[in-house]
Order: sequence, then C-alpha cells, then structure tokens
Amino acid sequence: DVVLTQTPPTLSATIGQSVSISCRSSQSLLHSNGNTYLNWLLQRPGQPPQLLIYLVSRLESGVPNRFSGSGSGTDFTLKISGVEAEDLGVYYCVQSTHAPWTFGGGTKLELK
Amino acid sequence: QVQLTESGPGLVHPSETLSLTCTVSGFSLTGYSVYWVRQPSGKGLEWMGRMRYNGDTSYNSALKSRLSISRDTSKNQVFLKMNSLQTDDTGTYYCTRGGYSSYDYWGQGVMVTVSS
Repeated sequence: DVVLTQTPPTLSATIGQSVSISCRSSQSLLHSNGNTYLNWLLQRPGQPPQLLIYLVSRLESGVPNRFSGSGSGTDFTLKISGVEAEDLGVYYCVQSTHAPWTFGGGTKLELK
Repeated sequence: QVQLTESGPGLVHPSETLSLTCTVSGFSLTGYSVYWVRQPSGKGLEWMGRMRYNGDTSYNSALKSRLSISRDTSKNQVFLKMNSLQTDDTGTYYCTRGGYSSYDYWGQGVMVTVSS
C-alpha cells in the first residue's frame, strides 16, 4: 500500500503567518490517465473533514484562495498564505491513485 | 442538496459484527463512489473501503479479511459490515462521496464503541 508521510506533525503559527505542510508518497501518484489524485482535507475539532484541494492544486468551491496546493510525483505541499483563526485543526493528505486509497498521518495546526 | 447520513449501533460487543448504513441523497450511487473512513478517538483518519459507482469494491489491506461493503441503489444506501470487532475498532465511522473531486461531501459520522 502507498504510504503518505506528512511533515511536520504539529505546526504552530501566528495569525497572518504563512505556513506549508509537506506530504511525501512512497510511490508516484501519477495515474496512467495523466491525473494525480492527491487531495488535502481539513478537520476542525468535533467536525468531519472538509475538502480543500483536489487533484494536487484545484481549489474546492467555497474554499478561500489563501489555500494552495502544489507538487508532483511523490512530493506535495499545501500552503496557507496568511493563517486565520478558522484554519486551526488537523490537515490530511489523501491519495486515490493506487488502491487501496490511503491517508497521511495528519498535521495539527495550532496557534503559537 | 448532497447529503450523507451514517446510522448504526453505538455499542458493539467484542467479537461481534458491526453493521452500518450510509444513506445518501442529492446524487446517484450509480454515478458516484462512496467511501468508508474511520477515526479512532484522538487519532488520524483511516480509509476502510469503497463502493464504486459500477458496484465494484476495494478494501484496506489490513481490514480486508473482516470487511464487506455492499449497496442497495433503490434505497440510496451503502452498507458496511465488519466482523470480529475488538476494542481498537472503537471510533467514529464516516461515509464520504468519491468521484472527480473525492471527499467533497461527508456524513457527520457515527460513534461506535466496542465494549463488553
């Protein structure tokens, strides 16, 4: 199975600071159809996860554009350009290229 | 609008079988996949398995021997059955929609406790 390794496990930030989260895959997530099925989710406390980014860099409808995704192959990054209080929670990457799908271990974003 | 709702027992005894239902609305099960994801309390997300739009299934390798996912398209329902439950199966179980932008809609989750 594909292993997704997220770093750092915990991230402390001040409001307005820009931060990045890394997600590294044990094998390339480029599908034979040319798509790369790597998504980013945010789970706020007590809530189900919500989709932020799909297909590496496509912003889900309604998600603020301070969130951006990039990367290819095995290395991916989620960037938040100017953290806001509502961004606190746990971020997960998830791949849907190779069955069975797998999640990263999560990165907890907290206030410094 | 799109909705997913999980239902099932809150308490299951060790060694018994867990049966959960995900009832969907606002989309067709023959057009979208549905995934099951679980989360032990205070821990991360674990992908369990999927019911594909065409009826195919795939499972987490670690759970494959205990897990079965099926559906009833006439009732807009996807079912999860997992046998031989143990205490480390305690947690919140979610269903979520798959597709082009997978994980775009989630149920609120159902908390399952495995205890005697």
